Amino acid sequence: EAQVTQNPRYLITVTGKKLTVTCSQNMNHEYMSWYRQDPGLGLRQIYYSMNVEVTDKGDVPEGYKVSRKEKRNFPLILESPSPNQTSLYFCASCGQGLNTEAFFGQGTRLTVV
Amino acid sequence: AQSVAQPEDQVNVAEGNPLTVKCTYSVSGNPYLFWYVQYPNRGLQFLLKYITGDNLVKGSYGFEAEFNKSQTSFHLKKPSALVSDSALYFCAVRAPYSGGGADGLTFGKGTHLIIQP
Repeated sequence: EAQVTQNPRYLITVTGKKLTVTCSQNMNHEYMSWYRQDPGLGLRQIYYSMNVEVTDKGDVPEGYKVSRKEKRNFPLILESPSPNQTSLYFCASCGQGLNTEAFFGQGTRLTVV
Repeated sequence: AQSVAQPEDQVNVAEGNPLTVKCTYSVSGNPYLFWYVQYPNRGLQFLLKYITGDNLVKGSYGFEAEFNKSQTSFHLKKPSALVSDSALYFCAVRAPYSGGGADGLTFGKGTHLIIQP
């Protein structure tokens, strides 16, 4: 089954404690992205990657890092989380071609206290 | 820059009635348009897309959407609403010149659809 898998689904952490949210896709997609979803703001792109070792900033990259060492994995790293990073996070992957739809993970609800 | 507007935060419809969720877009050139649905505690699921051809596009779960180039709209519709259609709906646009930005999708802020029994 084609899918994007994120872990963990839920995470509560304290300010300043480094964390990583993993994302893996099994569709051999070139493109992967991270979004955060906040009430009234919709989905905002954090970082994206067009292929292995190719990443770039989205609309709200501050406070986040990513890496793309393998095609299937695209982890999101928060080096020093702060309460304003409390949000619902989604990973997505997409094949090449303008007419291809993106596939989303189930989401990670992060709370930073 | 491309943008998507979903003018209604919430749409309430009685079960069995037709529903419409509105979406307008702004992009240079011919757009690629998508609708996604998000159920509680779930990720976004693809519903349908417009690439080219017929202006009426049919998708999953009985949904359809009508592309109107002159009005730059891509409204989501269903002839008869079900309670199970209650969810958060997102419209998205991708510009034809996308290439520098991963999947290049720009999302609207979402519309809560509530179907009342």
